Amino acid sequence: AQTVTQSQPEMSVQEAETVTLSCTYDTSESDYYLFWYKQPPSRQMILVIRQEAYKQQNATENRFSVNFQKAAKSFSLKISDSQLGDAAMYFCAYRSAYRGAQKLVFGQGTRLTINP
Amino acid sequence: NAGVTQTPKFQVLKTGQSMTLQCAQDMNHNSMYWYRQDPGMGLRLIYYSASEGTTDKGEVPNGYNVSRLNKREFSLRLESAAPSQTSVYFCASSEADRDNSPLHFGNGTRLTVT
Repeated sequence: AQTVTQSQPEMSVQEAETVTLSCTYDTSESDYYLFWYKQPPSRQMILVIRQEAYKQQNATENRFSVNFQKAAKSFSLKISDSQLGDAAMYFCAYRSAYRGAQKLVFGQGTRLTINP
Repeated sequence: NAGVTQTPKFQVLKTGQSMTLQCAQDMNHNSMYWYRQDPGMGLRLIYYSASEGTTDKGEVPNGYNVSRLNKREFSLRLESAAPSQTSVYFCASSEADRDNSPLHFGNGTRLTVT
């Protein structure tokens, strides 16, 4: 079974600075998808960014980018120019590419605090 | 655009009571899921339904039952609530025929069992 590990329960960063959240995963599959979700205090789960394992190019969405290292099974999230609205729980998630297996496996989460 | 709607938002139960969490999506998604979220453990899959008419166990199914009532609705039932089921419950849906389709989540139900 696949597992996802987020080794940083909490992180903090000064507003306008850059922070990187770590995520590692364990799988024997070669084709899969990786996601980062954000959960603000409202409890809503918001998709931040996604990465297809077959793509070597790292995904980018505005201030959010990933560093995908397939051989190392690492998928970190970089937030540039941190804003107060970025404060939230962040979850890394894995999904097999095989049809019918769309369920996500989540990491434990990292609580990000933004210091003004 | 309602997306995924869960009811209720909050619930308090006594040990042994039963209840059903309701979930509906209006995005014509084939697949639906129930997760529970506990501190330090992320979200864990309880049950899922890959398509209308099918349901399968996830990582933590004990103490729960589900019903895929139709394509839109997927309910989660606790027959005899236990304090260990105190958690935040999320329903989600996704398109089954798009490989990289993300899950769309409801806003969650905070359940407390005393």
